[in-house]
Amino acid sequence: DTEVTQTPKHLVMGMTNKKSLKCEQHMGHRAMYWYKQKAKKPPELMFVYSYEKLSINESVPSRFSPECPNSSLLNLHLHALQPEDSALYLCASSQDSGGKSYNEQFFGPGTRLTVL
Amino acid sequence: SQQGEEDPQALSIQEGENATMNCSYKTSINNLQWYRQNSGRGLVHLILIRSNEREKHSGRLRVTLDTSKKSSSLLITASRAADTASYFCAISNSGYALNFGKGTSLLVTP
Repeated sequence: DTEVTQTPKHLVMGMTNKKSLKCEQHMGHRAMYWYKQKAKKPPELMFVYSYEKLSINESVPSRFSPECPNSSLLNLHLHALQPEDSALYLCASSQDSGGKSYNEQFFGPGTRLTVL
Repeated sequence: SQQGEEDPQALSIQEGENATMNCSYKTSINNLQWYRQNSGRGLVHLILIRSNEREKHSGRLRVTLDTSKKSSSLLITASRAADTASYFCAISNSGYALNFGKGTSLLVTP
């Protein structure tokens, strides 16, 4: 199974809502990533988890809260978002060579988030 | 972090023609990767070329890497309408982060 799944596909939320994005992979990858992508822009790295521990936080506002409950699952909890947070949120995974990964990344289809 | 810079930003060709897109970068790399993204969807990995490699092939794709010029090119031969997508180069040099370029938007018309 070389698939990364993400749910939901689309999400519309108000600025006071709390919601969560979910990502799952069963490739045995121990590095998992969240990216944010605005229209016609490249993906921007938000977070990296290595062996279920947060390894990189690219100065993301605290209204985004990642969680890695086990080696197959990655969540992104959203609270008090702003309209400018509307974007495509992509999850990815890769093999992890004990603290580093220079490997190809496998991406999910993304969650299209709209904040009203 | 460093980004790759692709050119052209947009490319329009007819089916059967070859498409070439280029990526330049500024510092040393571990490897350089190319990804494809269909409109509004996830990215698909195409090819990874390591810093000690000069050329790699995969089906109709050919990637070259010139570390002395800090540049890479992706050639798609005999393009098809299904190749219409955005293509990104991504620099890997710091352990996890992939630094994506701005992308080349390819349109292949029948």
